[in-house]
Amino acid sequence: GDSVTQMEGPVTLSEEAFLTINCTYTATGYPSLFWYVQYPGEGLQLLLKATKADDKGSNKGFEATYRKETTSFHLEKGSVQVSDSAVYFCALSESGGSNYKLTFGKGTLLTVNP
Amino acid sequence: DAGVTQSPTHLIKTRGQQVTLRCSPKSGHDTVSWYQQALGQGPQFIFQYYEEEERQRGNFPDRFSGHQFPNYSSELNVNALLLGDSALYLCASSALGSGGYNEQFFGPGTRLTVL
Repeated sequence: GDSVTQMEGPVTLSEEAFLTINCTYTATGYPSLFWYVQYPGEGLQLLLKATKADDKGSNKGFEATYRKETTSFHLEKGSVQVSDSAVYFCALSESGGSNYKLTFGKGTLLTVNP
Repeated sequence: DAGVTQSPTHLIKTRGQQVTLRCSPKSGHDTVSWYQQALGQGPQFIFQYYEEEERQRGNFPDRFSGHQFPNYSSELNVNALLLGDSALYLCASSALGSGGYNEQFFGPGTRLTVL
């Protein structure tokens, strides 16, 4: 079945450092890919998405590119802030849209120190 | 505009008991999905409701059941609770009826502890 593997955490960075969180997936078709963020005590929020190969999703300085050849969707940010501290989840939707079930990775805890 | 709301926030039950969790979707949304998030893990899909019917189901036993009401709100019921059912239960809503791409909006979750 479909699965998502993402970089084990925790990840600890200093403010203004470069962030990469790796994510690879296994799917039978052509899924849509997502990054969700979970701040302490809150629900999941969609950070960015890509619905087809070579699409780049971006939001709040975060970017991820849908790489079909490497089945990857790595999250990057050029300069992290303390407010970016949260758990980040990579996810896929097997039917190409968000109305179908989401399959999540285990999450990566990011801590950014001032 | 209220987002997705869930109740209660926290719940403590003992093994063998039954529990009901509730979810109200975001205004304008007609589809509700439920996820279980164990500590340190990603959310796992339980099932999805649309037009008061279970539309899709994940790999969860029949002890997990649900319902959707005409106003689109939903309940998750878990019978014969096990210690392993302790988790954060997340509800997500989306607007299936409008077609196209629709983002799933998540609620803050209900923290269930089974003793």
